[in-house]
Amino acid sequence: GAVVSQHPSRVICKSGTSVKIECRSLDFQATTMFWYRQFPKQSLMLMATSNEGSKATYEQGVEKDKFLINHASLTLSTLTVTSAHPEDSSFYICSARDWSLAGVNSYNEQFFGPGTRLTVL
Amino acid sequence: DAKTTQPPSMDCAEGRAANLPCNHSTISGNEYVYWYRQIHSQGPQYIIHGLKNNETNEMASLIITEDRKSSTLILPHATLRDTAVYYCIVRVSDGAGGTSYGKLTFGQGTILTVHP
Repeated sequence: GAVVSQHPSRVICKSGTSVKIECRSLDFQATTMFWYRQFPKQSLMLMATSNEGSKATYEQGVEKDKFLINHASLTLSTLTVTSAHPEDSSFYICSARDWSLAGVNSYNEQFFGPGTRLTVL
Repeated sequence: DAKTTQPPSMDCAEGRAANLPCNHSTISGNEYVYWYRQIHSQGPQYIIHGLKNNETNEMASLIITEDRKSSTLILPHATLRDTAVYYCIVRVSDGAGGTSYGKLTFGQGTILTVHP
């Protein structure tokens, strides 16, 4: 099956610093990637939709200037948490859509990464 | 996308079938039922999806009622490794376009615990 990787798998940083998380589709091209955040014992919350070559679309309540998303190629999207604070500590998960399966409803076209655990001290 | 309702938790004995229900009474004609699961501290894993016919793959079976207002995910022979949170999601069919294109909205899911 299609593989999506995330790097790093876990990161610890000091309050006020910025952290970049990478999401890569390893064996397919992804015109669209999604970023989710998950707090302990809670479900995944969609933060933003990232489209290759265009600006990301953020969900209501998500600060676009704090969570910078760049989708510069068909296999890579990055999420940068700027000026991180302890309340930003969370599990960040990306998913990627395989554009070659778009419109083929009999196949699953979206694949998730393993997640990145961010801890801000 | 239509909202789903799942029991918060279920138990199952190892080797037995696990039947996870999901209600989606407001589902639209162009919405599919998707099931994902999330093992602790990992990303979600796709299990199965369907529109109106029952579906089966190597992981599970999906039974959708005729009126499509509910469905059941069946793990035929549960193992300890199937312990996870199971999410039932309904979303518009791929190709529908629009701002919700491809979006998955996760509810609280069902915590399935498989015990020896």
